[in-house]
Amino acid sequence: AQKVTQAQTEISVVEKEDVTLDCVYETRDTTYYLFWYKQPPSGELVFLIRRNSFDEQNEISGRYSWNFQKSTSSFNFTITASQVVDSAVYFCALSVTGGFKTIFGAGTRLFVKA
Amino acid sequence: EPEVTQTPSHQVTQMGQEVILRCVPISNHLYFYWYRQILGQKVEFLVSFYNNEISEKSEIFDDQFSVERPDGSNFTLKIRSTKLEDSAMYFCASSETAPPMGGRYGYTFGSGTRLTVV
Repeated sequence: AQKVTQAQTEISVVEKEDVTLDCVYETRDTTYYLFWYKQPPSGELVFLIRRNSFDEQNEISGRYSWNFQKSTSSFNFTITASQVVDSAVYFCALSVTGGFKTIFGAGTRLFVKA
Repeated sequence: EPEVTQTPSHQVTQMGQEVILRCVPISNHLYFYWYRQILGQKVEFLVSFYNNEISEKSEIFDDQFSVERPDGSNFTLKIRSTKLEDSAMYFCASSETAPPMGGRYGYTFGSGTRLTVV
């Protein structure tokens, strides 16, 4: 069975602080994809990144970076120099071969205070 | 940038009534999905649809739910007899290619329909 765990329910930081959102996944499949989505207060789900199980290279996109470590089954997301606009719920998700569903974690609500 | 469009954005319905939630997926996408998010909770898979048939459904997707692609552009979710516990945000999504990759940009989600059953 597949599972995604986001142990941090809520995180509160002050603007310009760096913050890391943790994601731990479980699957027996060797081919899978991991995703991060942002859900702002308006409610939509915004795609941030996808990473496949064969590519452990870390990725940086502006203030966002992702650290994928198969050895610990983790796919953590770091926001550098956080801004108020980063306040949202962030979901980590997993999709595996042979299935059609994406399994979401419970989400981490990030509050960035000015 | 192409979008998945969902209508209505909000729907209030009385318990026992039928509702139809509508979605227009991205035009060149072939795989379609419905997800549900009860307020403050995780996003849960309901059903996937490909080649005019259901490819996978969850245990949530019981006989009161149905999906349809009535024409070349729309994708609908029907709830036959709504219950209070059906109150949730319903997301439609689409993808170019099959899971797990989903295509160049993964899965594109619509903005959701907030369904309130009273």
